[in-house]
Amino acid sequence: DTAVSQTPKYLVTQMGNDKSIKCEQNLGHDTMYWYKQDSKKFLKIMFSYNNKELIINETVPNRFSPKSPDKAHLNLHINSLELGDSAVYFCASSQMGQTYNEQFFGPGTRLTVL
Amino acid sequence: DQQVKQNSPSLSVQEGRISILNCDYTNSMFDYFLWYKKYPAEGPTFLISISSIKDKNEDGRFTVFLNKSAKHLSLHIVPSQPGDSAVYFCAASRGGADGLTFGKGTHLIIQP
Repeated sequence: DTAVSQTPKYLVTQMGNDKSIKCEQNLGHDTMYWYKQDSKKFLKIMFSYNNKELIINETVPNRFSPKSPDKAHLNLHINSLELGDSAVYFCASSQMGQTYNEQFFGPGTRLTVL
Repeated sequence: DQQVKQNSPSLSVQEGRISILNCDYTNSMFDYFLWYKKYPAEGPTFLISISSIKDKNEDGRFTVFLNKSAKHLSLHIVPSQPGDSAVYFCAASRGGADGLTFGKGTHLIIQP
């Protein structure tokens, strides 16, 4: 009964390939996020979706495209992968209007681009 | 431009003593402050939070203090236990669907 799940946990691929990471939450939340943790362990917001609508799109290359088929899912597609895309990607969810805006995170997907 | 700063990359504390983790922020628009705990190869786990209208929030062994005028918050863990050894991230938010802005984390090591 994992609250926020991501697949795959590890992803190794070649430069130039296109890949997707899937995220699902069973908490009934209406807002989902993607974060990137780089090699310096710095966690940064990439995207935020509320009720399937894009709310936040930080300065992320166009090669990254989030897709939300429904409120429980937020997938991340990455085109033309580059070496610098190697990182751990975390999905998170929250419920708008919650007192402290606490977000619940998935276990992460470690992406390695060779 | 780091809006949330954790200036201590690591902290070592003896079991049973108090652990104090510090965090500073620069953006006055932040309304909520949160602490997350992270073990290797796992996602961050929500620990405790505080809104900007309060100066203290307590939950069991964990207490968060907020000094809004100094733009400083701290997390107190007492007594510290071996299972508390982890990386602790301070985070801030403006609320709504705003993403969290994280500090770089402090690696807490509890010595037996």
